[in-house]
Amino acid sequence: EDKVVQSPLSLVVHEGDTVTLNCSYEVTNFRSLLWYKQEKKAPTFLFMLTSSGIEKKSGRLSSILDKKELFSILNITATQTGDSAVYLCAVGDYNQGGKLIFGQGTELSVKP
Amino acid sequence: EADIYQTPRYLVIGTGKKITLECSQTMGHDKMYWYQQDPGMELHLIHYSYGVNSTEKGDLSSESTVSRIRTEHFPLTLESARPSHTSQYLCASSGQGWGYLPTSGANVLTFGAGSRLTVL
Repeated sequence: EDKVVQSPLSLVVHEGDTVTLNCSYEVTNFRSLLWYKQEKKAPTFLFMLTSSGIEKKSGRLSSILDKKELFSILNITATQTGDSAVYLCAVGDYNQGGKLIFGQGTELSVKP
Repeated sequence: EADIYQTPRYLVIGTGKKITLECSQTMGHDKMYWYQQDPGMELHLIHYSYGVNSTEKGDLSSESTVSRIRTEHFPLTLESARPSHTSQYLCASSGQGWGYLPTSGANVLTFGAGSRLTVL
């Protein structure tokens, strides 16, 4: 059975800290791994990763995929209170069309 | 502006009522999805559609039904709501264009703001 596991489930840090969120997966025919940020409402897209070892970067956020070890990490440097959210990892399978399998999410709380 | 819209955002209703959650997208996406999310839990796919007149059940069993008569519209209906249906329902879409990688066919799902349903 395909599954996506995120860790930690929750994390509390102070502004300025650097955090690393983890996502491991077991998917039969891996197609892509996506990171989303979910605040009070809809998840918003952060990154899509399809190739191993190529870092995607957007401002203070970056992510990388390891297809051999079946995991991805999302790094946030110099955290701000606005980074507080649930971060979702999702994986697409070639046999599943456009559907995504989601992990439980990591709830990040950044304290002033 | 291309986007995906869900109505209502919040709905409180009594047991046994019929409800329809609306979802519309203006991006011309062929694929649309409904996910269910309970507080603190992961998103579970309950329905999806790859185009007009195409609907499939997702990984999580649901008593709801969907229809796809027009590309832009993917409503979800519960014929007789029960307290166990209380949840957040998220609609999403994907397709060729922004967020599509031709080499892998990978798609980015764009989500609506969600409909939070409470059944008393």
